[in-house]
Amino acid sequence: DAGVIQSPRHEVTEMGQEVTLRCKPISGHDYLFWYRQTMMRGLELLIYFNNNVPIDDSGMPEDRFSAKMPNASFSTLKIQPSEPRDSAVYFCASSPYLRGRDSPLHFGNGTRLTVT
Amino acid sequence: AQSVTQLDSQVPVFEEAPVELRCNYSSSVSVYLFWYVQYPNQGLQLLLKYLSGSTLVKGINGFEAEFNKSQTSFHLRKPSVHISDTAEYFCAVSERVGNTPLVFGKGTRLSVIA
Repeated sequence: DAGVIQSPRHEVTEMGQEVTLRCKPISGHDYLFWYRQTMMRGLELLIYFNNNVPIDDSGMPEDRFSAKMPNASFSTLKIQPSEPRDSAVYFCASSPYLRGRDSPLHFGNGTRLTVT
Repeated sequence: AQSVTQLDSQVPVFEEAPVELRCNYSSSVSVYLFWYVQYPNQGLQLLLKYLSGSTLVKGINGFEAEFNKSQTSFHLRKPSVHISDTAEYFCAVSERVGNTPLVFGKGTRLSVIA
């Protein structure tokens, strides 16, 4: 089990550019979560999917952010256009269950995004 | 909706000293409670969880936490910390019923000083 795999580990881009973050969840996990971590706001849930279907995207900050899960083994988080305030660490996590009662959330190592 | 408050954003402590990281939660229904740990440049991993039964739960690396329903708290403790415990610790809560995911606190950065 390779765990949750995120790419890239680091991304530096200029304001206005499009950024795509990628995630491969653990096989067999029905839930996939995207989180954003900043010093000011801590760990925020952006969106989560169940069986590839977006369930709750109320945490997505604005229309510049979009997420897709075209199949059970791949998800993307896209920011277009990017802004300096989007600089953060973005985590993907997966789990067989929604609430972690019987199995914890498994997190990737994150993508550190810097927008200049 | 449930919420979590971690009262300390940073806790410095000397090696081999005891530590307590505080967590309070708010919910209108019964909850499950969790502590996750994030080591530098890594994702979060589960440290321990309270589902039911004994209010004192033990986790990995010598950590334990006590669920106190009357005070709506779930403080994390370790009697003697090591340098390797330096990390960020997140308290999380989920409601036993309904369809809402885990809600995390803002985290407490534990720095162990040699």
